[in-house]
Amino acid sequence: DAGITQSPRYKITETGRQVTLMCHQTWSHSYMFWYRQDLGHGLRLIYYSAAADITDKGEVPDGYVVSRSKTENFPLTLESATRSQTSVYFCASRAGGFETQYFGPGTRLLVL
Amino acid sequence: GEDVEQSLFLSVREGDSSVINCTYTDSSSTYLYWYKQEPGAGLQLLTYIFSNMDMKQDQRLTVLLNKKDKHLSLRIADTQTGDSAIYFCAEKNAGNMLTFGGGTRLMVKP
Repeated sequence: DAGITQSPRYKITETGRQVTLMCHQTWSHSYMFWYRQDLGHGLRLIYYSAAADITDKGEVPDGYVVSRSKTENFPLTLESATRSQTSVYFCASRAGGFETQYFGPGTRLLVL
Repeated sequence: GEDVEQSLFLSVREGDSSVINCTYTDSSSTYLYWYKQEPGAGLQLLTYIFSNMDMKQDQRLTVLLNKKDKHLSLRIADTQTGDSAIYFCAEKNAGNMLTFGGGTRLMVKP
């Protein structure tokens, strides 16, 4: 499928477990982003990547790890999930030099 | 620090105009954006405005920017039930990252 996809769309896990959320885009956009959306906070940037093998922290990176070995993929890992990481996670991408960020459909994560 | 504020909720009748307001604090913002989020979906860029402009119109959408007051608004003319969604404003900061407001839920009554 063309565009930006996320998997899984829904995930329930338990405190302490490792969880990986996947993001894939087919446009070869150089920039990719991970946000979390929580009531009252809008979207907050967790990590971003300007290119393959280049990642940087956003506003709320603690408890998360990212990697970008290929341009099209940008997985987000919660190393030891906590209840405070219950949220909706959005991946986004944009081409370098352009303003439009394209968002994936989101992953709803519940940590019990 | 950067902060983007929006009111939480707006209700209008179908056919009326909607005005969604946003204030921001970062005076170095270069671009300001409006995104729309429909239920269960990601964010979709509606429009954006460069900081040296004070108005931008795109069909039913009008964006007004008051840079002195750091105030951004989105006017939707002839609001339809399909416009019901959450609207986010965002600013592009000095680090080229976006800072989002908390979102305004627009409800359009038939």
